[in-house]
Amino acid sequence: GENVEQHPSTLSVQEGDSAVIKCTYSDSASNYFPWYKQELGKRPQLIIDIRSNVGEKKDQRIAVTLNKTAKHFSLHITETQPEDSAVYFCAVHGPPNAGGTSYGKLTFGQGTILTVHP
Amino acid sequence: GAVVSQHPSWVICKSGTSVKIECRSLDFQATTMFWYRQFPKQSLMLMATSNEGSKATYEQGVEKDKFLINHASLTLSTLTVTSAHPEDSSFYICSALGLAGAASREQFFGPGTRLTVL
Repeated sequence: GENVEQHPSTLSVQEGDSAVIKCTYSDSASNYFPWYKQELGKRPQLIIDIRSNVGEKKDQRIAVTLNKTAKHFSLHITETQPEDSAVYFCAVHGPPNAGGTSYGKLTFGQGTILTVHP
Repeated sequence: GAVVSQHPSWVICKSGTSVKIECRSLDFQATTMFWYRQFPKQSLMLMATSNEGSKATYEQGVEKDKFLINHASLTLSTLTVTSAHPEDSSFYICSALGLAGAASREQFFGPGTRLTVL
């Protein structure tokens, strides 16, 4: 099955600095790569996603880059703010099974605890 | 946007009892729902995929007789933890893939249910 590795496990930055979180995956057929922000005790919130036919996507202070050849993608947060502090998860959406009867599964990375110091 | 609710938000039960958790899509029809388990400071682990009107597909290592899943309608899936034990204590999160979501691949997450087994 899909194997997703996420680094770093913890990241501490000063307010205003940039933060970068990286993920690698194993299945070259994977086709959708979302990033989630999760605050303690809350549901994961989709913050940005990218599809396999796109190399980069940006939404204000957040951007995601995808390198399909190398099978890795990264989350970039610029001008970080204390409210960006949370756990961030990458995820990889695999293709349906061979029969097309099972929709592709979402496999999550291990998570990164981001702390933004004022 | 698409809203998914879960009930209850938290539950405390005695060892050996069964607990039912409901996951509802409030403003869309969900052909597929997913159940995840998240232990403290860990990532989300997919337990099973629930398709309306058919049997759930369980991930390797998840006991289907212990974690009963029913997806009787396009807006409701239930997870029943049978004969719960302290090691089942966890944060259970559902997500739903809408009819439109099947193409977009975005999963809409419920707020989670905190289960504590004494």
